[in-house]
Amino acid sequence: GAGVSQSPSNKVTEKGKDVELRCDPISGHTALYWYRQSLGQGLEFLIYFQGNSAPDKSGLPSDRFSAERTGGSVSTLTIQRTQQEDSAVYLCASSARRQVGTEAFFGQGTRLTVV
Amino acid sequence: AQSVAQPEDQVNVAEGNPLTVKCTYSVSGNPYLFWYVQYPNRGLQFLLKYITGDNLVKGSYGFEAEFNKSQTSFHLKKPSALVSDSALYFCAVRVTTDSWGKLQFGAGTQVVVTP
Repeated sequence: GAGVSQSPSNKVTEKGKDVELRCDPISGHTALYWYRQSLGQGLEFLIYFQGNSAPDKSGLPSDRFSAERTGGSVSTLTIQRTQQEDSAVYLCASSARRQVGTEAFFGQGTRLTVV
Repeated sequence: AQSVAQPEDQVNVAEGNPLTVKCTYSVSGNPYLFWYVQYPNRGLQFLLKYITGDNLVKGSYGFEAEFNKSQTSFHLKKPSALVSDSALYFCAVRVTTDSWGKLQFGAGTQVVVTP
């Protein structure tokens, strides 16, 4: 696609429910990243994929958070038993090559509100 | 640990005046530095990057950044600010030691350009 696409753009869920956030990266991009941006905060790294594997999961806040990527393309971030502190904007990014100088392109994010 | 710091939470500037947004970095090895901008309710947009070569890097929307190795800085600049430049600006460094793919972001600097 032309850009990184994330869905839904907004999600309101009740505390304790599970949610799935989807990211469709730019076609051909092998690297995919998930970040979280809380109100008034910077960007918090969650997880990074190279192809279908996740060499870095160090940012996942708890075992309620998981992510997968299939076919080297679409990724889903799943949050189980959501808590109010999970409310944030979840940003996905992708980049073309496994080179340190390659910039990442971001989607517009999914705003998650846990009530 | 590799990191970037943005010492100013907010920068205020009058339209037409020069704009500078500060960023300092701490890395082991060669630095790979990036600037992103986030407009309200939008995802992050890539502005420019420093990989190697000339210390003055030119990017999108008339922005440039100066890499200074001795001062470990990568300040973002624009000679003449526009009201439309009002946004949240993030400096980032590519983490190359523990996970080459991850971008480590600063806390962000809110830029307010007044007419």
